[in-house]
Amino acid sequence: LAKTTQPISMDSYEGQEVNITCSHNNIATNDYITWYQQFPSQGPRFIIQGYKTKVTNEVASLFIPADRKSSTLSLPRVSLSDTAVYYCLVGEDTGFQKLVFGTGTRLLVSP
Amino acid sequence: DAGVIQSPRHEVTEMGQEVTLRCKPISGHDYLFWYRQTMMRGLELLIYFNNNVPIDDSGMPEDRFSAKMPNASFSTLKIQPSEPRDSAVYFCASRPGHLSYEQYFGPGTRLTVT
Repeated sequence: LAKTTQPISMDSYEGQEVNITCSHNNIATNDYITWYQQFPSQGPRFIIQGYKTKVTNEVASLFIPADRKSSTLSLPRVSLSDTAVYYCLVGEDTGFQKLVFGTGTRLLVSP
Repeated sequence: DAGVIQSPRHEVTEMGQEVTLRCKPISGHDYLFWYRQTMMRGLELLIYFNNNVPIDDSGMPEDRFSAKMPNASFSTLKIQPSEPRDSAVYFCASRPGHLSYEQYFGPGTRLTVT
């Protein structure tokens, strides 16, 4: 499984757009990129998944450049409730059984 | 659906005692996973099942840990004997069939071994 690197922490204010970048230099051809969110005292929750270019859902957008060696999770207009740890994972779509969680990015949103 | 259900939510036990954690996956999900989360090691996959059959238990730390899934709606993770270093939050997650990638996590069981 490709290893991922993300910032340990980020700070933001309510209403701002937050972009969290993940590096995955050794990503394989069959690998997809997935992001999970974890609130304190809760299990992780799936946010978004993509393979290339851009994916958007009601929660976030995922930008993946052509070389796929990195990806950026974009959270539009964050609120206090977006304070959480965000994990970037890389693995095969057909499998993805073995989710390997790194240290994640701790996002703190302030008023 | 109520989501993945875990019990107990909190468990405090003494070293040497047997601990059993329980999980009820979402109905219809074919995969079940057990994870452990600590500050030092983060979130680690311990074992996962597919259609009640253990597929990969390479993450199970040692023989003191065992997991079973007697039917599609129930799984247990047992630690015997427990040690203080087993203190962690244990999550159960389930996933639909082969073509789905999203795992649904339960609320976790916080285990403290004194």
